[in-house]
Amino acid sequence: EPEVTQTPSHQVTQMGQEVILRCVPISNHLYFYWYRQILGQKVEFLVSFYNNEISEKSEIFDDQFSVERPDGSNFTLKIRSTKLEDSAMYFCASSSDRGSYGYTFGSGTRLTVV
Amino acid sequence: SQKIEQNSEALNIQEGKTATLTCNYTNYSPAYLQWYRQDPGRGPVFLLLIRENEKEKRKERLKVTFDTTLKQSLFHITASQPADSATYLCALTNRYPGTASKLTFGTGTRLQVTL
Repeated sequence: EPEVTQTPSHQVTQMGQEVILRCVPISNHLYFYWYRQILGQKVEFLVSFYNNEISEKSEIFDDQFSVERPDGSNFTLKIRSTKLEDSAMYFCASSSDRGSYGYTFGSGTRLTVV
Repeated sequence: SQKIEQNSEALNIQEGKTATLTCNYTNYSPAYLQWYRQDPGRGPVFLLLIRENEKEKRKERLKVTFDTTLKQSLFHITASQPADSATYLCALTNRYPGTASKLTFGTGTRLQVTL
């Protein structure tokens, strides 16, 4: 079964450093997302991406965040200057135009900011 | 503001029984409701989607109901097994999921099935 692949699985970074989280969505999917989950809390929407541009973003997705699809397969989330409160599990997801199949999530990148 | 509530306490049931999980929402008019399973340290896994004009949807041992008047969805697992132990999340969207529509998740209910 097709999977969404995320790397790295765990990233530790110092406050103020830039991080790039990487994702390979399912190849024939059209829509790409980033969500995050702070430990013990609910999964929160960050951003959706379609046709090489942002479709929607949440209040969390401020100027410190950016997304990019640099080639036909990768989808990245960059945090320019990490803060302690950015520590969370970050999930990439993708979906097709066949809505009944739901969204496919990756296994996540656990980001720890120290 | 939009609120999606699921039982925050864990639900413990015996193997073979039916588990029923609840998702209530306020200040929201979702057109689509989805249920996901999440295991510790893993991403959500899609289970079922139900539209606002559907009352019930089934898939193998799973059944979902969607009552837009009560603003509630019920998620049933029949003949539960220890392997069903996980956290179950409901997620709402007011746009067709076959577009770039964001999901708003509930906090999830942890299900523990014991022998």
